Amino acid sequence: AQSVTQLGSHVSVSEGALVLLRCNYSSSVPPYLFWYVQYPNQGLQLLLKYTTGATLVKGINGFEAEFKKSETSFHLTKPSAHMSDAAEYFCAVSGRVKLSFGAGTTVTVRA
Amino acid sequence: DAGITQSPRHKVTETGTPVTLRCHQTENHRYMYWYRQDPGHGLRLIHYSYGVKDTDKGEVSDGYSVSRSKTEDFLLTLESATSSQTSVYFCAISESTGGGTPGELFFGEGSRLTVL
Repeated sequence: AQSVTQLGSHVSVSEGALVLLRCNYSSSVPPYLFWYVQYPNQGLQLLLKYTTGATLVKGINGFEAEFKKSETSFHLTKPSAHMSDAAEYFCAVSGRVKLSFGAGTTVTVRA
Repeated sequence: DAGITQSPRHKVTETGTPVTLRCHQTENHRYMYWYRQDPGHGLRLIHYSYGVKDTDKGEVSDGYSVSRSKTEDFLLTLESATSSQTSVYFCAISESTGGGTPGELFFGEGSRLTVL
């Protein structure tokens, strides 16, 4: 079985500041890990994914995440927040057949 | 964009009535999923399919059934809708990786269901 815990349901950052969203996972098999973003009234779209290989993964819109097996973490970062980053972000872990999602973190960006 | 169409996009119905949501894909992907999204709960898996006529339950399957008679269509049915099933429903598709594990999911636009 697999599960994901996202720490913090809401994060508020100033424009230009670091964005850090935390995700810890539990998986009985080597995990595939994902971050998705959801803008208002839209479906989810993939930001980035980790399958195998390099543990630092770069995604779209300047986001990146690092897989740390020893910490069972897959935190998402962006060095400088932009107003367009305001959205809800979901971490997910893939098991043998299905993905399990965290509860989501809503990001607001202050001007 | 992945070719996924959900219908209807919005529906208001009354308690006790049957409701069917349709997901149609043009990608020929093996896996199809139905999730519901509720505030504070993220996305929870209702049912999924790993092939034609091959379906299985997710974590919140009570009160829902599914069918997949063709690769491209995955139907979600609420036999007798209840107010607790008011939610936004998302269909997703995925193709398997080389190891058989599903890869990334591609999501539809969602179907907003209100049960009065």
